[in-house]
Amino acid sequence: GESVGLHLPTLSVQEGDNSIINCAYSNSASDYFIWYKQESGKGPQFIIDIRSNMDKRQGQRVTVLLNKTVKHLSLQIAATQPGDSAVYFCAETYGNNRLAFGKGNQVVVIP
Amino acid sequence: EPEVTQTPSHQVTQMGQEVILRCVPISNHLYFYWYRQILGQKVEFLVSFYNNEISEKSEIFDDQFSVERPDGSNFTLKIRSTKLEDSAMYFCASSEAGEPFFGQGTRLTVV
Repeated sequence: GESVGLHLPTLSVQEGDNSIINCAYSNSASDYFIWYKQESGKGPQFIIDIRSNMDKRQGQRVTVLLNKTVKHLSLQIAATQPGDSAVYFCAETYGNNRLAFGKGNQVVVIP
Repeated sequence: EPEVTQTPSHQVTQMGQEVILRCVPISNHLYFYWYRQILGQKVEFLVSFYNNEISEKSEIFDDQFSVERPDGSNFTLKIRSTKLEDSAMYFCASSEAGEPFFGQGTRLTVV
């Protein structure tokens, strides 16, 4: 079936370094992608989104890259801070408002 | 900043009992959702709601589940006869047209 998945379960990164979190999706019809951050005991928090007609979008310290050829999505966090420690989920949707979430990737920032 | 609010934050119920989880979406949003997250697993879509009716539901959302918008501000999820496997975090979300914004969740524990 269609699925969204993450390559690495845990990413440890030194404070100040850049982080890259990857996500593979299998539904070529997906047209909208979102990255969410989830801290312990809290709900998913929107970080950044991208539509399928784009391949790159930048926000504050974050960049999302979309490669439709290989169905790959990545989130880059510049100058990672302790507050970035969380689980990061990619999510996709296609033609409706129903999000399909990936399994999550734990980011641990080492001070 | 407007946010989605959910009550209660934690609900403990006996198996077979009915529970109602409550949500106040962001006021100008038109689309409402319920998702759930079993401990350690990914966030799963349950149902979406628009224009006072269900627009889509997942295979998880069986006859034991129902949603209602009883007034202009609340959005509720009812589980008629809870099972042990209903134990999870339940997240309400709302959106205007784009990305859904999530509440902090209700932790449901069925004993």
